[in-house]
Amino acid sequence: DGGITQSPKYLFRKEGQNVTLSCEQNLNHDAMYWYRQDPGQGLRLIYYSQIVNDFQKGDIAEGYSVSREKKESFPLTVTSAQKNPTAFYLCASTGGETQYFGPGTRLLVL
Amino acid sequence: AQSVAQPEDQVNVAEGNPLTVKCTYSVSGNPYLFWYVQYPNRGLQFLLKYITGDNLVKGSYGFEAEFNKSQTSFHLKKPSALVSDSALYFCAVRDTFNDYKLSFGAGTTVTVRA
Repeated sequence: DGGITQSPKYLFRKEGQNVTLSCEQNLNHDAMYWYRQDPGQGLRLIYYSQIVNDFQKGDIAEGYSVSREKKESFPLTVTSAQKNPTAFYLCASTGGETQYFGPGTRLLVL
Repeated sequence: AQSVAQPEDQVNVAEGNPLTVKCTYSVSGNPYLFWYVQYPNRGLQFLLKYITGDNLVKGSYGFEAEFNKSQTSFHLKKPSALVSDSALYFCAVRDTFNDYKLSFGAGTTVTVRA
């Protein structure tokens, strides 16, 4: 898991609530990513950022939002518009050609 | 477009036997290929990559992979599997025209029995 931290490890969301997942890296990487992992589907890209103050939608951005105000931080907000948020969320950053991953946050719906 | 296929959902082997996890890919340009391993409720750990050069790539924990351009494959291998190798394995590809996007296979669950 290297120098990428994600918090919390488990997160519970109530109906209609927005929740924010934290991702911090101390690897001095420019690019950061958010993925969603569902059983049997591999990883799907939600958002990515190649530089501070800039980010782009991935394949499944609807119902999610991000910010990139600092190089080391890339928080993900799961909004109430995301109707099926239960999943394992993984943050990553790129050093050279290789992506390195954080330990993940499991989001559950109450 | 780029994509990865891992044709086997599960691979079961006995400890000490060879382990192979299959991966085929499709890209527009030249491929960058990666293997990752995931243990339950953990993030993905990088195992090895192919960028250019020798088709046989050696990585962490005794794993290796062979790049085959004509068959568009990048199979992961280990000569002698350990019970501790039991995990979920992902193959991923990026092509030289997409410097940001990594596409993942659906994953292969490896079970090594004692």
